[in-house]
Amino acid sequence: QVQLQESGPGLVKPSETLSLTCAVSGYSISSGYYWGWIRQPPGKGLEWIGSIYHSGSTYYNPSLKSRVTISVDTSKNQFSLKLSSVTAADTAVYYCARLWIGKPFDYWGQGTLVTVSS
Amino acid sequence: EIVMTQSPATLSVSPGERATLSCRASQSVSSNLAWYQQKPGQAPRLLIYGASTRATGIPARFSGSGSGTEFTLTISSLQSEDFAVYYCQQYNNWLFTFGPGTKVDIK
Repeated sequence: QVQLQESGPGLVKPSETLSLTCAVSGYSISSGYYWGWIRQPPGKGLEWIGSIYHSGSTYYNPSLKSRVTISVDTSKNQFSLKLSSVTAADTAVYYCARLWIGKPFDYWGQGTLVTVSS
Repeated sequence: EIVMTQSPATLSVSPGERATLSCRASQSVSSNLAWYQQKPGQAPRLLIYGASTRATGIPARFSGSGSGTEFTLTISSLQSEDFAVYYCQQYNNWLFTFGPGTKVDIK
């Protein structure tokens, strides 16, 4: 059974960098699939942030691309998100998920709320 | 960017009734369309992919149809556990976008 678990600070100050990690169990990241981040502001809809392959190739949402870095650590079977220069608009539940080319997100983490506030 | 719209925003349905949800894409996404169900405090759950293929473990009362720009999710007989928000998502290219959601609540 594939499981994903997000972790990281729940509170980040404005202008700082948000950093989250997604630990994957039940499947080896090195075996394939893409891995992605999606966020959901409180009471609002879903926004794709970006995705990464185990080789390190990445795809980012153009609206966030200048501030986003997604990386993968196959030795720890996890991948990470960094979002720089955050503002209150970046307050959201952040989800990590798995996907394959030509397929949607099939496994999701439970999500973690990140609040941007001083 | 492909913009996804959903209608209605809210659908009030009695248990046992049929629910029909619509999703429209601003340009063709072929059959690269998924539906998710989300309950409060939970992550989205994949219901349908390829516009009409049920994901593993999804009951047969959920069905999807459409291609191109117009898509429909039908829940044939609503059960109590089906009251939730439903999102469509296109994955036709590497700029994935979601619709704003349809909330299905109890009439």
